[in-house]
Amino acid sequence: GQQLNQSPQSMFIQEGEDVSMNCTSSSIFNTWLWYKQDPGEGPVLLIALYKAGELTSNGRLTAQFGITRKDSFLNISASIPSDVGIYFCAGSVGNAGNMLTFGGGTRLMVKP
Amino acid sequence: DAGVTQSPTHLIKTRGQQVTLRCSPISGHKSVSWYQQVLGQGPQFIFQYYEKEERGRGNFPDRFSARQFPNYSSELNVNALLLGDSALYLCASSWGTSPTFGSGTRLTVV
Repeated sequence: GQQLNQSPQSMFIQEGEDVSMNCTSSSIFNTWLWYKQDPGEGPVLLIALYKAGELTSNGRLTAQFGITRKDSFLNISASIPSDVGIYFCAGSVGNAGNMLTFGGGTRLMVKP
Repeated sequence: DAGVTQSPTHLIKTRGQQVTLRCSPISGHKSVSWYQQVLGQGPQFIFQYYEKEERGRGNFPDRFSARQFPNYSSELNVNALLLGDSALYLCASSWGTSPTFGSGTRLTVV
């Protein structure tokens, strides 16, 4: 079946640093979504991408839909403590928007 | 406006028992999907329902079943529970291609 490889699996951040994570797939997707999940909560949508090559921003977050349709990245600029959490990429094929394939997640933690 | 609501929030069941989880979508959303999230992993797709019909099924055994009601709410049923069914069960609703998730039901099988 389809799988999404998300990296890094975890990373430490210091306030003010820029953060980058990416997702790759062996299959083509028509939609890429990025979610953030806090403990005890469901995933919350951050950015949705619907077109190959699309670059979209949401505040300090920027995400891109890869030209090959097999990858996407998410950047967070000038990180703040509330950015801590788990970030998931998710892809969808065709018009089945709800049938998402998720990556394994990137856990952001604060540097001690 | 209310988001996606799920009940119960937590549940403890014994191996072999049956469980029913409930989901109320955002008002106006006609599509509901279910995901299983095992600790430390990303959510895995179980089912999608649209207008009371099953539109997609993930790689889960027949012990898992679901249905959608005329008011678009949905239930997920799991029979003959196994220890490995312990997970966070997420419901998502949509009217388009960006699903909104509920906070989930934490199921523990002992």
